[in-house]
Amino acid sequence: DAMVIQNPRYQVTQFGKPVTLSCSQTLNHNVMYWYQQKSSQAPKLLFHYYDKDFNNEADTPDNFQSRRPNTSFCFLDIRSPGLGDAAMYLCATSRVRGTDTQYFGPGTRLTVL
Amino acid sequence: SQQGEEDPQALSIQEGENATMNCSYKTSINNLQWYRQNSGRGLVHLILIRSNEREKHSGRLRVTLDTSKKSSSLLITASRAADTASYFCATGSRLSNQFYFGTGTSLTVIP
Repeated sequence: DAMVIQNPRYQVTQFGKPVTLSCSQTLNHNVMYWYQQKSSQAPKLLFHYYDKDFNNEADTPDNFQSRRPNTSFCFLDIRSPGLGDAAMYLCATSRVRGTDTQYFGPGTRLTVL
Repeated sequence: SQQGEEDPQALSIQEGENATMNCSYKTSINNLQWYRQNSGRGLVHLILIRSNEREKHSGRLRVTLDTSKKSSSLLITASRAADTASYFCATGSRLSNQFYFGTGTSLTVIP
């Protein structure tokens, strides 16, 4: 089945220690998104790729970076995680931007010690 | 905030009752979508309604859209315990390429 896969499902890191979360998709969608979701809140868009075109949200901290080496994979790098970065990180894909249905992975729960 | 607002924030009902949640948004849209999220999981798309549509049905789901009031509602009929989840509306705009989620409604269906 076509899907969005996130690894790992749970990630524990130490304060200040870089961490990378990964997302892959078999849907062959052009757009890939990274969202941060804290407890009982709506998903907050960090950035998205439209093909190779990177789009950063204005309020996304510099601490967060992303890479998309090919259509199928997208990575979220947190350079120096702080306690406030503990959250669920959701990857999603869509065919086009703005209006299309988004397909979500199961998420990676990040804990910062 | 550019996010939509949803109300109620939390809703608790008995199994078999209907659940209604509302979404208000701020910008012009091409469509509005509803998503469901089980605790600790990703979001799952439920239904999409286009800006030129007023009502849409999918199984036990009924969605309405009033673009003049910039609001939408999601009705779940004959609720089941398995409907317990958070429900988010999301608005899409082709003009701005923006896609925003509402604040969500947490639904608890008591068996």
